[in-house]
Amino acid sequence: KNEVEQSPQNLTAQEGEFITINCSYSVGISALHWLQQHPGGGIVSLFMLSSGKKKHGRLIATINIQEKHSSLHITASHPRDSAVYICACTSGSRLTFGEGTQLTVNP
Amino acid sequence: GAGVSQSPSNKVTEKGKDVELRCDPISGHTALYWYRQSLGQGLEFLIYFQGNSAPDKSGLPSDRFSAERTGGSVSTLTIQRTQQEDSAVYLCASSRQGGAFYTDTQYFGPGTRLTVL
Repeated sequence: KNEVEQSPQNLTAQEGEFITINCSYSVGISALHWLQQHPGGGIVSLFMLSSGKKKHGRLIATINIQEKHSSLHITASHPRDSAVYICACTSGSRLTFGEGTQLTVNP
Repeated sequence: GAGVSQSPSNKVTEKGKDVELRCDPISGHTALYWYRQSLGQGLEFLIYFQGNSAPDKSGLPSDRFSAERTGGSVSTLTIQRTQQEDSAVYLCASSRQGGAFYTDTQYFGPGTRLTVL
């Protein structure tokens, strides 16, 4: 069992739909990161959070420390949101990545 | 301002040769990280530099891998006697602080795609 697990692995949505990507982790963490990797390979850090909720534009990230679970939500999804979304957890001096969720938003 | 840059963008080498990959972090960022992403695989942590502290090398897969960071800025990742399983995209990231717990936002470079024939 991976220390950081994401679901779903693949997600296809229609433009405008509300999207949720989940991340569960099995170790104690000090921070959780959500990253976005575009088809060209570039990676962008979306959020870094250790508690509660953060919002940036149409993106919302939440974390529940007790349940060891985080969600990334995209409201009013758009084809340009198509990318791989990666959850990464900081535990001690280690950074562990999930396998990523491939999101495709169709027009 | 300029982001994290990496060079070369692509590198093709023969098995057994040594390669050097370069990373220029964002100016003023004290923390620098190296990761790799093999085809179809997730990201894998390799090494972490924070200021003048000894680097965290816990992610290096073998002693053929080494990295240094000169003057607290540019970093070079060296892979000696490359093997085919070393083929991957090598990504560098930097952050303003970092600390021991990677609790600062990381800015990623475009990566170097290494192919070992």
